[in-house]
Amino acid sequence: DAGITQSPRHKVTETGTPVTLRCHQTENHRYMYWYRQDPGHGLRLIHYSYGVKDTDKGEVSDGYSVSRSKTEDFLLTLESATSSQTSVYFCAIRMTSGTVGELFFGEGSRLTVL
Amino acid sequence: TQLLEQSPQFLSIQEGENLTVYCNSSSVFSSLQWYRQEPGEGPVLLVTVVTGGEVKKLKRLTFQFGDARKDSSLHITAAQPGDTGLYLCAGAGAGNNRKLIWGLGTSLAVNP
Repeated sequence: DAGITQSPRHKVTETGTPVTLRCHQTENHRYMYWYRQDPGHGLRLIHYSYGVKDTDKGEVSDGYSVSRSKTEDFLLTLESATSSQTSVYFCAIRMTSGTVGELFFGEGSRLTVL
Repeated sequence: TQLLEQSPQFLSIQEGENLTVYCNSSSVFSSLQWYRQEPGEGPVLLVTVVTGGEVKKLKRLTFQFGDARKDSSLHITAAQPGDTGLYLCAGAGAGNNRKLIWGLGTSLAVNP
């Protein structure tokens, strides 16, 4: 099984502060994704990466940036956190052994912005 | 905009009952995936259906992809408390399967 580690798992921060969430994978999968999950909105794609230094925006990318300097790490940064970014954030990798783009998810990072 | 509608949104049943949840769209998908998510964890892939009319079974779970590849259903036979969770469907569009279209999920509670 693929291994994904998200850190931190829980974070409370104040409005206006920068926050970085880290996703680390152990199996050199090419595609990595950041989602947020909110009641009533489901899973929404923030950004994704298809290789080192290759990233693209998802449907809710405003206020977020990402970086992928190594295959194994995909960072999500909130430059200036707002209360609307309180959410549970999931990192996922695309399983190359899957039929069509199946995803393997991390355990999530719960972020609270006060 | 492609949308996936899941129904019902919430379902609470007794152990041993059967149930069906639905995932519907007006759009055609090249494949459709079902995930289950337990509280505090990420979604876990259950199955992928690819061919219109396809039926896949996973123990007591039966998944069906509609003939037109616009809808899918998940039937659980003799539900158990361990089936409790959020069931999510996700559709992959033809030609670009890097971005999945997600339903909002069906929250299932199976009471002992």
